[in-house]
This record gives sequence, C-alpha cells and structure tokens, in this order.
Amino acid sequence: KQEVTQIPAALSVPEGENLVLNCSFTDSAIYNLQWFRQDPGKGLTSLLLIQSSQREQTSGRLNASLDKSSGRSTLYIAASQPGDSATYLCAVNPEGAQKLVFGQGTRLTINP
Amino acid sequence: GAVVSQHPSRVICKSGTSVKIECRSLDFQATTMFWYRQFPKQSLMLMATSNEGSKATYEQGVEKDKFLINHASLTLSTLTVTSAHPEDSSFYICSARTRGGEQYFGPGTRLTVT
Repeated sequence: KQEVTQIPAALSVPEGENLVLNCSFTDSAIYNLQWFRQDPGKGLTSLLLIQSSQREQTSGRLNASLDKSSGRSTLYIAASQPGDSATYLCAVNPEGAQKLVFGQGTRLTINP
Repeated sequence: GAVVSQHPSRVICKSGTSVKIECRSLDFQATTMFWYRQFPKQSLMLMATSNEGSKATYEQGVEKDKFLINHASLTLSTLTVTSAHPEDSSFYICSARTRGGEQYFGPGTRLTVT
C-alpha cells in the first residue's frame, strides 16, 4: 500500500530565505507526482506535476525534483515571500490507479 | 491551468434535508472526477471516484446511499448528501483528472448542518 510522508509538518522562516519541503513515498511504481498548495478554507492549487520519467519541473520561484528509485521528491522555494504562506501537499498517482495518495502536508509560514 | 468550479461555495441546511453539490470542469473534459472530504487541519480524505457514465467507486467506510454521486457528463459531477446530520458538516472538495493524468481541484464547499 502506497504511503506518502511529508517532512516537516510545519515550517516557519523569515522572508527572503530559500527553503526545501520534503516528500517521500513507499512504492516507486508511480505514474506521476503533484505538488499543491492550499490556503485556509480554500481548495487546492496545482503547483507542479512531475511525470515518472522526469527528474524535475520548474515554475517561477518553484522547483520540484523527483527521484523515483529512492521514493523522494523535494519542492524548492526560492526567495520566499509572505504570500507563500500556505499548506503544501504532495500527492502521488500510483501506477494502475486513478486516485492520488496524499501526504499530510507541510504548513509553511513566511514571516515578514 | 485548467479550471474546476464548485457550487455552492457554502451551504447551511437543517438536519434531515438533502444537499446537492456540483463540480464542473470548465475548460476540459474529465472522464474521472473525485470527491474528497476534509476536516479542520487534516489532509484530504477520498470519498469516491466518479467515472462518466458509470457508477461511482466508493472508498471503504463511505456510505454510498448517503453520499450519492452522479457523473452525468464529461464536465459535470454531483454529490448529494442525503438526510444530512450535523456530523456531515465538513469541507467537501472535488477534483477532475485530465487525460494527461494531472488533477485540478475545485474551490471547495463548506457544508454546515444545523
């Protein structure tokens, strides 16, 4: 059974810092991996999608990497801003399945 | 990115009544949609997978007669909470899956049962 773990559960850093969020999964047989952000009381916003054949994806100040063989993904946020404060969720789409398996999320706070 | 809408965004209903929530993919066709439930400060809990033109697949522990799902077209799925009770109060979120395997989420519906 696929399990997804995100570390840390919460993170608070000063504005301007670069930071890394970690995601690990137990079964490397995945179709893709997605990173989302969720603001309080809102739905999820898709940030980056990495297909199983890819190593990384970039969008603006965000960079996500995928090491399928070791079951790890990282989300790198450069030059953090207070507007980046949110909960970040990692989810994998197992091979042969349609549904996503989510981690518990990392609650990120960027202090001005 | 693709857009998924949900309606209503908030609903308050009395215990014993039924509530219908709509989920629409606005600019793409989704053969598969998903319904999630989220409790405060917790991650999403998948309730069911909805495939266009067929019966939904419910996760273990989710009552299919209480949470009715209909996926009438490639852009619309509905969740009906029947005979709602206060313990059904929650944040319900839908998502739609593109052909490329990416999922886009709706903004969520806050249900309060009094």
